[in-house]
Amino acid sequence: SQKIEQNSEALNIQEGKTATLTCNYTNYSPAYLQWYRQDPGRGPVFLLLIRENEKEKRKERLKVTFDTTLKQSLFHITASQPADSATYLCAPQSGGSYIPTFGRGTSLIVHP
Amino acid sequence: EAGVAQSPRYKIIEKRQSVAFWCNPISGHATLYWYQQILGQGPKLLIQFQNNGVVDDSQLPKDRFSAERLKGVDSTLKIQPAKLEDSAVYLCASSLQGSYNEQFFGPGTRLTVL
Repeated sequence: SQKIEQNSEALNIQEGKTATLTCNYTNYSPAYLQWYRQDPGRGPVFLLLIRENEKEKRKERLKVTFDTTLKQSLFHITASQPADSATYLCAPQSGGSYIPTFGRGTSLIVHP
Repeated sequence: EAGVAQSPRYKIIEKRQSVAFWCNPISGHATLYWYQQILGQGPKLLIQFQNNGVVDDSQLPKDRFSAERLKGVDSTLKIQPAKLEDSAVYLCASSLQGSYNEQFFGPGTRLTVL
């Protein structure tokens, strides 16, 4: 069955460092992958979408990579700030599937 | 631009009771989703509408859950009767057309079943 793996343990880093979050998937080949941010008590907020033919995508301090051979996406936040503390969800999706599937998310804590 | 509206924000009921949630998507968004998010997990899709038609409801427990989007705009999700394991946050989201587009989420309804 399709499986999405994100680190269940929280990632703790110091302000100013680069945070790297991992999303691994098995048993399917997504045509694109989305990353969302979720703060406590709120709904997820879209951050970035990357397609299978794109190796990398950037938006301000955010960078996403998509390696279809490794079946992995990496999400980077450079020059991290305490305000970046949140849970980050990845959502890979097959081109032929209408069902959006989310990972459980990884909690990021940026310490001042 | 107004976001996705949901009500109520919180609901506490006893098991075997019924409950209904309401969602008003962003104007012009054809696709509407209902998700269930259990604490510590990612959102799980329950049902997806395209306008007023159902695209997918394969993960909706149809013996107790129902949803409708009668005029292709707002939607209601109902649970009848509720079980303890239904305690979760119920999120509504909408997108312009299809799930490959950015989804906009509402604040969610936190349901506690006692």
